[in-house]
Amino acid sequence: AQSVSQHNHHVILSEAASLELGCNYSYGGTVNLFWYVQYPGQHLQLLLKYFSGDPLVKGIKGFEAEFIKSKFSFNLRKPSVQWSDTAEYFCAVNAAGGGNKLTFGTGTQLKVEL
Amino acid sequence: ETGVTQTPRHLVMGMTNKKSLKCEQHLGHNAMYWYKQSAKKPLELMFVYNFKEQTENNSVPSRFSPECPNSSHLFLHLHTLQPEDSALYLCASSQDAGTGYNEQFFGPGTRLTVL
Repeated sequence: AQSVSQHNHHVILSEAASLELGCNYSYGGTVNLFWYVQYPGQHLQLLLKYFSGDPLVKGIKGFEAEFIKSKFSFNLRKPSVQWSDTAEYFCAVNAAGGGNKLTFGTGTQLKVEL
Repeated sequence: ETGVTQTPRHLVMGMTNKKSLKCEQHLGHNAMYWYKQSAKKPLELMFVYNFKEQTENNSVPSRFSPECPNSSHLFLHLHTLQPEDSALYLCASSQDAGTGYNEQFFGPGTRLTVL
């Protein structure tokens, strides 16, 4: 079975600071990788996803993530955060070819201060 | 209504009550999911339905009983719950559940408290 670890549970940044949120998974086979975001008072929504190809994927609102297979990692990055990026961020994986059964990490609460 | 809706948004019930959670998707999808989100724990997949057929039961206790009468509606029937079942229950839908390439769209959740 897969598992996902998000090491940072709470992150506080000032506006314009750079962001990197860690995500590591454990699974021996091929995986699909996702980052979801939940803004205050809103639904979980997809930020970006990786299936195959270029390991650097770009998502909405200037976010990107890099898949490093050797490290079983899929870290989320943004060069310059904004106050509106305050949200909870969830990393998720599913086993490629194993159906659409997502395994989530515990989430990282990001607060961006003005 | 657009997207995925869930009712009620909040529910308080006693351990001997029977209640149901409802989820409806307006996206034309064929797969629907129930997740449980407890405090400080990851979202846990509970059930998956694909084209109205249950394809996944993630070892969920029988006091939780799902029902999927059609591809647009999903219910979670609750009976004889325990206080540790208090959590946020999220519904999601996707185009189908046969592959892992389909984005899941989430509803706002039902906050359940069991007294």
